[in-house]
Amino acid sequence: GQQLNQSPQSMFIQEGEDVSMNCTSSSIFNTWLWYKQDPGEGPVLLIALYKAGELTSNGRLTAQFGITRKDSFLNISASIPSDVGIYFCAGQLTAGGTSYGKLTFGQGTILTVHP
Amino acid sequence: EAQVTQNPRYLITVTGKKLTVTCSQNMNHEYMSWYRQDPGLGLRQIYYSMNVEVTDKGDVPEGYKVSRKEKRNFPLILESPSPNQTSLYFCASSLSRWNTYEQYFGPGTRLTVT
Repeated sequence: GQQLNQSPQSMFIQEGEDVSMNCTSSSIFNTWLWYKQDPGEGPVLLIALYKAGELTSNGRLTAQFGITRKDSFLNISASIPSDVGIYFCAGQLTAGGTSYGKLTFGQGTILTVHP
Repeated sequence: EAQVTQNPRYLITVTGKKLTVTCSQNMNHEYMSWYRQDPGLGLRQIYYSMNVEVTDKGDVPEGYKVSRKEKRNFPLILESPSPNQTSLYFCASSLSRWNTYEQYFGPGTRLTVT
């Protein structure tokens, strides 16, 4: 199946620092998504991107849909301790308005924030 | 409260002993899906269902079965569990297959097969 390469695999940062992570694919996606998973919980959607080149913000989070449709990045500014968790990118392929109903996930980035 | 529930949350079992992990959603969602999460591999789709009595394989269906007899429930069945099925399992649902990005995930079931 399709593969998404997410990097870095883990990050250890100080509170207040900015964070950047990205996802690349060997094939195109029509939708890119970023999820966060808190310890002991299921993933929760942070940002959804629907158009190549789109830049979207959600509070301190900013994500972009790469112009080639094969990549996306997520930035977190001024990190705080509650940003700790696993961040996943996911791509969705649609065709002619019909969704295949499948998300392909990256391997995840484990973020640790030191106070 | 809108939610996806899974039971059990934790399960330790032995090789070959059939087990079922239940999943239920209270949002009248059509689309439901099962994923497994393994370190370094992210979430991989096992099976999905677009509606009652409509199910299909995801990326890693071997060793698993599902059924969708009612809209709200989507149980995952392991007929003969093996140690390589030790993993963290998530059930998810969305309004329809056209809204799979708005997926709501359950809290997860951590399964250990010895």
